[in-house]
Amino acid sequence: NAGVMQNPRHLVRRRGQEARLRCSPMKGHSHVYWYRQLPEEGLKFMVYLQKENIIDESGMPKERFSAEFPKEGPSILRIQQVVRGDSAAYFCASSEGGTLAGDTQYFGPGTRLTVL
Amino acid sequence: GQQLNQSPQSMFIQEGEDVSMNCTSSSIFNTWLWYKQDPGEGPVLLIALYKAGELTSNGRLTAQFGITRKDSFLNISASIPSDVGIYFCAGVYGSSNTGKLIFGQGTTLQVKP
Repeated sequence: NAGVMQNPRHLVRRRGQEARLRCSPMKGHSHVYWYRQLPEEGLKFMVYLQKENIIDESGMPKERFSAEFPKEGPSILRIQQVVRGDSAAYFCASSEGGTLAGDTQYFGPGTRLTVL
Repeated sequence: GQQLNQSPQSMFIQEGEDVSMNCTSSSIFNTWLWYKQDPGEGPVLLIALYKAGELTSNGRLTAQFGITRKDSFLNISASIPSDVGIYFCAGVYGSSNTGKLIFGQGTTLQVKP
């Protein structure tokens, strides 16, 4: 069973460019979460999606950031007009949902974004 | 807001020693999870706890969900060099209906052979 897949693993962008981060959940999982981690810190929740729906985006910056989880294909976290402060590790997690145990989240390896 | 206080921040121990770390909060949590993160990797789930008072083991690891639902601890017995890494507690806030995780600040564990 493949785990949560994320790509790219490393992404370098110049200020003002766009960054697209992709996440494929574990097989059978329909819930996707995105988290951001700064060096020496814990992970911070950004957004929670189910297929074609954003359920909770309370941790997402209001501008430049967007997320989607289409009916077909991976979930995408999109950052427009990146700034140096966006440099961080971005992790995706997935769960199958339905019960407390079903809400247990499994994480991908992350995408490390560096903004020059 | 919801916050988890994890301690200690770091530990440097001798191989073979036992380790204990904990997380506390002023808020009630429905679920407690413990993850380990190696450098350059994502968090790997170690133990999941779903009921107050629950005590669960996974090999040399034991974790408990506090009776008050405001704390949890993780013990590692007979540590080995591959236990090195950052350990995070995470919880689902009591009144959350979305399952988003709140993370502690992490405990960095170093093991001296």
